[in-house]
Amino acid sequence: DIQMTQSPSSLSASVGDRVTITCRASQRIASYLNWYQQKPGKAPELLVYAASSLQSGVPSRFSGSGSGTDFTLTISSLQPEDFATYYCQQSYNTQYTFGQGTRLEIK
Amino acid sequence: QVQLVQSGAEVKKPGASVKVSCQASGYTFTSYDINWVRQATGQGLEWMGWMNPNSGNTGYAQKFQGRVTMTRNTSISTAYMELSSLRSEDTAVYYCARRGLRYFDPFDYWGQGTLVTVSS
Repeated sequence: DIQMTQSPSSLSASVGDRVTITCRASQRIASYLNWYQQKPGKAPELLVYAASSLQSGVPSRFSGSGSGTDFTLTISSLQPEDFATYYCQQSYNTQYTFGQGTRLEIK
Repeated sequence: QVQLVQSGAEVKKPGASVKVSCQASGYTFTSYDINWVRQATGQGLEWMGWMNPNSGNTGYAQKFQGRVTMTRNTSISTAYMELSSLRSEDTAVYYCARRGLRYFDPFDYWGQGTLVTVSS
């Protein structure tokens, strides 16, 4: 299986900060990389697909980039509702795998 | 609007089986695959498998091969995930998620989750 490794595992930041989360794949996955946001007690929600395409309705402060093995999710100016856990997921093959998650906390 | 509504919480004994349902509305059920993902308390997301509601074709994570079965009833737009030989480590919230028909499509809508507790 393709292993997905996120860094950092947790992150403290303030409202208005610019934040970057990294996801690394154990092999090249082209741009088959998706990002999800999960709030406590809720189902995950799709933010970014195909590495850099913003899902409809997602604020433009979210952006994704990367290809091959290294990917990033950037939040340009943190808002209170952005404090959550973020997961990357590879869809390069049908043995889908997720990163371990990055918990974004309020500083 | 697209909705995936899952069945309620379950409590099962070790060795038993559980069957979770996922009823779709707001779109053509057979035009999107259904995937199942689980999450143990405080842990990350773990993909279990996919099912094509039109053909009934399935694909399972190697970890669950032989223990999971995904089926559907197209007349009521409902997908099912059955997990057998339950053990305590299977205690988790189980989610269904919609995916486009291309294998690389993302999971764009999710159910609300079903808590399955395995305890003697």
